[in-house]
Amino acid sequence: GENVEQHPSTLSVQEGDSAVIKCTYSDSASNYFPWYKQELGKGPQLIIDIRSNVGEKKDQRIAVTLNKTAKHFSLHITETQPEDSAVYFCAASLRMDSSYKLIFGSGTRLLVRP
Amino acid sequence: DTGVSQDPRHKITKRGQNVTFRCDPISEHNRLYWYRQTLGQGPEFLTYFQNEAQLEKSRLLSDRFSAERPKGSFSTLEIQRTEQGDSAMYLCASSLRGEPTYEQYFGPGTRLTVT
Repeated sequence: GENVEQHPSTLSVQEGDSAVIKCTYSDSASNYFPWYKQELGKGPQLIIDIRSNVGEKKDQRIAVTLNKTAKHFSLHITETQPEDSAVYFCAASLRMDSSYKLIFGSGTRLLVRP
Repeated sequence: DTGVSQDPRHKITKRGQNVTFRCDPISEHNRLYWYRQTLGQGPEFLTYFQNEAQLEKSRLLSDRFSAERPKGSFSTLEIQRTEQGDSAMYLCASSLRGEPTYEQYFGPGTRLTVT
């Protein structure tokens, strides 16, 4: 079945540095790739997404890249701030009959040290 | 607040008891999803509704689990005869119908602890 692998599982960076999280998916039919940020005790918050017809998308300090050939996609956070500390999940879409479901990676715990 | 809401936020129950959770999606969203998240893992899909119709169920959804969305608005997820393995965060998400709108927005979750 569809599988999404996410690395690293933990990431510690100094405030102001960049952070990169990488994911690999298995189903070549996946065409939608969202990223979620989850803070302690809260639900996942959609922060950015990318569709298969686009190779890169940027929104202020965050950017996502997609390599469909290699089935890789990545999240890049620049100028990290302490409030970026959270668990980040990547996901890939898997088509159902009338909609789609999301297959999630296992998460990356990001710690931004002040 | 016009986001997805879930109730209760926390539930502690004894093994063998039944529990029911409620999800209120974003008002104009006609698609509703339930996911389960265990500690240290990403959410896993359980089931999906389009309006009041339950169109997809995961193998994770054993016969002790039942979900409804009677009027195509709020949804309930019931677990009968709870087991310790049911302890998890139960997340609800909603989205608009139609391509290419794919975004799923999650609620805060209901954390279930079975003792």
